[in-house]
Amino acid sequence: ETGVTQTPRHLVMGMTNKKSLKCEQHLGHNAMYWYKQSAKKPLELMFVYNFKEQTENNSVPSRFSPECPNSSHLFLHLHTLQPEDSALYLCASSQDSGLAGARGETQYFGPGTRLLVL
Amino acid sequence: QKEVEQNSGPLSVPEGAIASLNCTYSDRGSQSFFWYRQYSGKSPELIMFIYSNGDKEDGRFTAQLNKASQYVSLLIRDSQPSDSATYLCAVKGTSGGSYIPTFGRGTSLIVHP
Repeated sequence: ETGVTQTPRHLVMGMTNKKSLKCEQHLGHNAMYWYKQSAKKPLELMFVYNFKEQTENNSVPSRFSPECPNSSHLFLHLHTLQPEDSALYLCASSQDSGLAGARGETQYFGPGTRLLVL
Repeated sequence: QKEVEQNSGPLSVPEGAIASLNCTYSDRGSQSFFWYRQYSGKSPELIMFIYSNGDKEDGRFTAQLNKASQYVSLLIRDSQPSDSATYLCAVKGTSGGSYIPTFGRGTSLIVHP
């Protein structure tokens, strides 16, 4: 098991539901990421937080809303999703998203949340 | 737009053979290169990173980087069935001041007994 945990591991929701994904890292890192992984597609970066500040929003629809209350926790709030949003949502952390070098750059991934939108 | 290209495979090799996985990238300013392994239904895990031209060896794995030709490869010697997974190439550069990695689609490797 990695130092990055995600809950829930599986989620089924209707298009009118509101749900939240949670990520927690126990590695003392300062940067956290949300990725979306769909079948046959590359990992898509959604959001980046560095020292609790959002530094990247990769043109993600507003039905996805991130929250980073501290450097160890990251949430992804979901509302009025579409079936095409069904995917594996991965959280990752690294020492610092702005640092070059392996120590700063290496990302550690959580196990992911498998989301199905009906 | 930065792009990272990988052959989706599957690449099938017999047990004990050398598996060669390739990755090309479009951003000449790229500086950091990573290989992740992802088992089916699991999250990616880092195998190797490389920054300098040439080879970098770690056990049965060797990463090769050629910045002039803009490719990075991963060799797996003495392939084992447990190496069967999808291998993701990730590239980071400094274009626009962003240190965020760009991932390829991954290459599926099958090692058969």
